[in-house]
Amino acid sequence: AQSVTQPDIHITVSEGASLELRCNYSYGATPYLFWYVQSPGQGLQLLLKYFSGDTLVQGIKGFEAEFKRSQSSFNLRKPSVHWSDAAEYFCAVAERNSGYSTLTFGKGTMLLVSP
Amino acid sequence: DTGVSQDPRHKITKRGQNVTFRCDPISEHNRLYWYRQTLGQGPEFLTYFQNEAQLEKSRLLSDRFSAERPKGSFSTLEIQRTEQGDSAMYLCASSLDRVLSPLHFGNGTRLTVT
Repeated sequence: AQSVTQPDIHITVSEGASLELRCNYSYGATPYLFWYVQSPGQGLQLLLKYFSGDTLVQGIKGFEAEFKRSQSSFNLRKPSVHWSDAAEYFCAVAERNSGYSTLTFGKGTMLLVSP
Repeated sequence: DTGVSQDPRHKITKRGQNVTFRCDPISEHNRLYWYRQTLGQGPEFLTYFQNEAQLEKSRLLSDRFSAERPKGSFSTLEIQRTEQGDSAMYLCASSLDRVLSPLHFGNGTRLTVT
């Protein structure tokens, strides 16, 4: 089975500063990768996904992510963080063993935004 | 599109009791998924349905857990003889019947077993 690692449990960023959340995957072939965001008490919302093609993908809310095969990474970025971005962020990979029907999630990174 | 609805939002139960959760997916979505999320962890896959057929079950789904989707619309997840280790957020998601179709998640049911 594939796996996803999010090395940072918590990250604190000042409002207006740039953000990068790390995600590393383990999979030999091209993975199908996702970033989801979860606000307190809410379900997960899809931010963006990578299937193939352009390695820089744009998502909602001003987020983008870059797929780097050489580093097995799919890091999430935002140039200027807003206080409303404070939430937990999950990277996920579609499981080949299930015909890509199910997702394996990382443990998440909690983003705190300071004034 | 009213989104994925889960009921109840919170459930507190005593160890050994049975509990049942309900999920109503987005109406045109054929696929329905159950995930479990414990503190400090990402969601973990439990099971999924395509219409009324349960196509896959995780090894996390012990024999105390049963899920149904009798008419291919709403789904129920029942946990029998609950244990403290069952305390978690149970998330339901739905999607269209296409490979890699994005999952739409509900707000979850938080179960606390005392």
